[in-house]
Amino acid sequence: DAMVIQNPRYQVTQFGKPVTLSCSQTLNHNVMYWYQQKSSQAPKLLFHYYDKDFNNEADTPDNFQSRRPNTSFCFLDIRSPGLGDAAMYLCATSSRGAGDEKLFFGSGTQLSVL
Amino acid sequence: EDQVTQSPEALRLQEGESSSLNCSYTVSGLRGLFWYRQDPGKGPEFLFTLYSAGEEKEKERLKATLTKKESFLHITAPKPEDSATYLCAVQAKGGSEKLVFGKGTKLTVNP
Repeated sequence: DAMVIQNPRYQVTQFGKPVTLSCSQTLNHNVMYWYQQKSSQAPKLLFHYYDKDFNNEADTPDNFQSRRPNTSFCFLDIRSPGLGDAAMYLCATSSRGAGDEKLFFGSGTQLSVL
Repeated sequence: EDQVTQSPEALRLQEGESSSLNCSYTVSGLRGLFWYRQDPGKGPEFLFTLYSAGEEKEKERLKATLTKKESFLHITAPKPEDSATYLCAVQAKGGSEKLVFGKGTKLTVNP
């Protein structure tokens, strides 16, 4: 089945130690998103790529970066994680221009910061 | 700024006890309103998209409706497997397809 795959499912890092989360998709969608979701909170958009065009949300901290080396993969880099960055990180995809605007989500990566 | 407010925050039902979840929204121009289901520790799973006031969509025990200011997710004769958090999101016209989410309603259905 075509899908959005996130690795790892659980990630533990130390305060200030850089961490990278990965996302891959087999849907061949041209848009990829990263959302942050804290416990009992709404998913919050960090940034998205339309093809190679990067779009950052105005309130996304500089500590968060992203890379999309090709259509299938997207990475979230947290340069110096703080305790407040512990959250579920959700990757999603959509197909702009295809007439179907819904987002397809991966299972998420639960990040813990010690 | 686009906003989504969902109520109640949590809802407990007995199996078979029908109810509705509410999603109120403000958006500059609505492109679509989305309902997702989220199980603990997992990503949201798509349920419905609604595009215009008066539109309704159904899937098994769920029916979603839309007005100009809010959407309802009606659950008829729920079963324990319907227990999950239900998220509502809006997509604005113009620009990207990004979704603005509400905090969700956590539904628990007791047998």
